[in-house]
Amino acid sequence: EDQVTQSPEALRLQEGESSSLNCSYTVSGLRGLFWYRQDPGKGPEFLFTLYSAGEEKEKERLKATLTKKESFLHITAPKPEDSATYLCAVQEETSGSRLTFGEGTQLTVNP
Amino acid sequence: DARVTQTPRDKVTEMGQEVTMRCQPILGHNTVFWYRQTMMQGLELLAYFRNRAPLDDSGMPKDRFSAEMPDATLATLKIQPSEPRDSAVYFCASGLLGDTQYFGPGTRLTVL
Repeated sequence: EDQVTQSPEALRLQEGESSSLNCSYTVSGLRGLFWYRQDPGKGPEFLFTLYSAGEEKEKERLKATLTKKESFLHITAPKPEDSATYLCAVQEETSGSRLTFGEGTQLTVNP
Repeated sequence: DARVTQTPRDKVTEMGQEVTMRCQPILGHNTVFWYRQTMMQGLELLAYFRNRAPLDDSGMPKDRFSAEMPDATLATLKIQPSEPRDSAVYFCASGLLGDTQYFGPGTRLTVL
């Protein structure tokens, strides 16, 4: 059974204090790993898809990386507007389009 | 700016009542997903359709839940009868060929 574990559960940063969120996964064959951002009362917003180990993608202050067992979401010089819950999900090769989500990391960036 | 829309945004009902949630996927997307999000279980896939045909409904309680796509622009999720444990936020998402999934704003369901 696919498993996705995110850490930490919650992270509090000062504005400008860079850090990383972790997503560890166990699948028999990875088709893709997805990162989403979710604001309170809203649906998850797509950020990145990573397909193979060594792949990296960037968007503004965010950079996602992938290894064979985990993915990191690096946040450089965060701003208060980066505060949100960040969700990681995996799509397994033999599970069609099904996404298995982790529990998320709740990020708070203080001014 | 293409978005998934869902109605209603909030629904409060009493135990035993029928609940219908609606979703309009992004125009041109051929894959539609239904998810449920709770504090305890997180985000779980209930069912999904491709080209209006159900492909996977293994996450859906079969006795009380049903999902349909009457046409390419409308997906429905029905609960009959509803129970307090069904209280959650229900999300619809759509995508092309099931790769990246774009989520709607959700329907917050409270069953009293």
